[in-house]
Amino acid sequence: DAGVTQSPTHLIKTRGQQVTLRCSPKSGHDTVSWYQQALGQGPQFIFQYYEEEERQRGNFPDRFSGHQFPNYSSELNVNALLLGDSALYLCASSLFESYNEQFFGPGTRLTVL
Amino acid sequence: AQSVSQHNHHVILSEAASLELGCNYSYGGTVNLFWYVQYPGQHLQLLLKYFSGDPLVKGIKGFEAEFIKSKFSFNLRKPSVQWSDTAEYFCAVNAMNGQNFVFGPGTRLSVLP
Repeated sequence: DAGVTQSPTHLIKTRGQQVTLRCSPKSGHDTVSWYQQALGQGPQFIFQYYEEEERQRGNFPDRFSGHQFPNYSSELNVNALLLGDSALYLCASSLFESYNEQFFGPGTRLTVL
Repeated sequence: AQSVSQHNHHVILSEAASLELGCNYSYGGTVNLFWYVQYPGQHLQLLLKYFSGDPLVKGIKGFEAEFIKSKFSFNLRKPSVQWSDTAEYFCAVNAMNGQNFVFGPGTRLSVLP
């Protein structure tokens, strides 16, 4: 039973560029949440997708957008990258009806130069 | 808005010492409470969780936590730590009517052999 997978593992971009991160949820899960974990800090909630719609959003600007596909996988897009966007981006999956049980992926390390 | 604080940024212990990591949250309603662990180079893993019932919950690897509602606290304990417990520990809360998790800033635990 595959857990949550994310790609790529690492990514280096320059300021102003755009990036897309990908996540495949744990088998049987229908909900994907994205978090940003800056160095030395706890994860911060970006948004959550269920039934291909954004259900909740944290305090992140519109430069951060997402998508969920019919197979429940998800993408996180960040436009106009800033140096401060450098972080570990975590994906967590769950069942919408039991949203408390979140399983995390290994993350994508984004470095913005 | 919910918030989570963790008392210690970095804790250093010798093997066999007892551990207690403090966690306090700020939220007026009913919450679910979690402790996650992030071992070096690995993804976030759930240590234990509290939803309701017995305020003393037991998790994996000998960890336990006690929910004290009057103090808005959910402290993590382990009677005797091992070198393999070296990791970052995150406390998190999830409001009963919400979908997203709010994480604390984390406590880095270093166990000396």
